[in-house]
Amino acid sequence: EAGVAQSPRYKIIEKRQSVAFWCNPISGHATLYWYQQILGQGPKLLIQFQNNGVVDDSQLPKDRFSAERLKGVDSTLKIQPAKLEDSAVYLCASSLREAGASPYEQYFGPGTRLTVT
Amino acid sequence: AQRVTQPEKLLSVFKGAPVELKCNYSYSGSPELFWYVQYSRQRLQLLLRHISRESIKGFTADLNKGETSFHLKKPFAQEEDSAMYYCALWAAGNKLTFGGGTRVLVKP
Repeated sequence: EAGVAQSPRYKIIEKRQSVAFWCNPISGHATLYWYQQILGQGPKLLIQFQNNGVVDDSQLPKDRFSAERLKGVDSTLKIQPAKLEDSAVYLCASSLREAGASPYEQYFGPGTRLTVT
Repeated sequence: AQRVTQPEKLLSVFKGAPVELKCNYSYSGSPELFWYVQYSRQRLQLLLRHISRESIKGFTADLNKGETSFHLKKPFAQEEDSAMYYCALWAAGNKLTFGGGTRVLVKP
């Protein structure tokens, strides 16, 4: 089966600019996750969707980050305006299991590496 | 709040030597613990979970609730084991929390 797809793979922007990332989960996977992985750290969950509803966005900096999954399939994560500390790899993952169930069957995408200068 | 600590940023071992990656966690209930691995230029993937009690690629990990640890071990390291390893914790109603990761370098 095809894996989780993400684009772009790399992005360089200046601070205060906007940027958007796209994720296409594995077909049929209802749960979708966005993680932020800063260099030298483990991934940190930003937001979790089940179908097109938000399950958990407690760690999403809502003053500048937004995410949507309008049709319960693809998702976009946006940063506006970007700050230097947003430089990180943004990982998307999807799971067939429902939100709230053990996440052991999460499949990760290749990530988007964002550099904010 | 739940937390996962991996005290070693880098572990360098020779091929054939044992390797142990430490993972300590803080959580008052009954969590589920995982080890994830990321090989060079590959995606993050699940290596093993404590519930399954399996040996994957020669790796084992035992959950020690008394010491709140979930160390990953392999008796004879291979060059293909060189990768980043992340310990992670999950509990019902909470999010998956990762440690900071340990880079393993297996030298020939």
